[in-house]
Amino acid sequence: QSALTQPASVSGSPGQSITISCTGTSSDVGGYNYVSWYQQHPGKAPKLMIYEVSNRPSGVSNRFSGSKSGNTASLTISGLQAEDEADYYCSSYTSSSSWVFGGGTKLTVL
Amino acid sequence: QITLKESGPTLVKPTQTLTLTCTFSGFSLSTSGVGVGWIRQPPGKALEWLALIYWDDDKRYSPSLKSRLTITKDTSKNQVVLTMTNMDPVDTATYYCAHNLELGGIFDYWGQGTLVTVSS
Repeated sequence: QSALTQPASVSGSPGQSITISCTGTSSDVGGYNYVSWYQQHPGKAPKLMIYEVSNRPSGVSNRFSGSKSGNTASLTISGLQAEDEADYYCSSYTSSSSWVFGGGTKLTVL
Repeated sequence: QITLKESGPTLVKPTQTLTLTCTFSGFSLSTSGVGVGWIRQPPGKALEWLALIYWDDDKRYSPSLKSRLTITKDTSKNQVVLTMTNMDPVDTATYYCAHNLELGGIFDYWGQGTLVTVSS
């Protein structure tokens, strides 16, 4: 099971919007609506930000949104804030009854 | 309030077997739809899913590591144990356990992680 493909890094200025892509195959991202996104600050455990492609857990800012088209899922963060600077990982359920994570994207707030 | 905490050795030698315990509270692993999974992260690298066990003892393993992993649960002790055989330096990583909901396949609560170093 190959890792999902994410850009290594993205950046944006405060107040701007950025989008992180997550590309898989029809055996994972494209085949299921079980795509999740996690935020990880240095030295901390990952935090669930989006589940089932576009749902936000309670307590997560509505500046975070998710979508999917074909084999590619996307995380959009609007109104960028300094605290959003972190690593972001996508994850998907797979046809092997397992999970796969993306390679991670480092978000820099300029 | 759901909490999870990983415990186990911080240093193992190559070829040894690693045993990690996840002790949790705030939920029961006998509740329908609930699971506990293990995910690891080598220093400076990405997350990698390892294994998961469900309330009904259904077990799932990473296809690439399946031959080396065993996951079990002790519902009465609120613990999940992961064993990984034949450890190698490339297995050096922070190992996390996480609460999983079968519906949605989400890992919504994570432990703090435990760093395991493989070195002679």
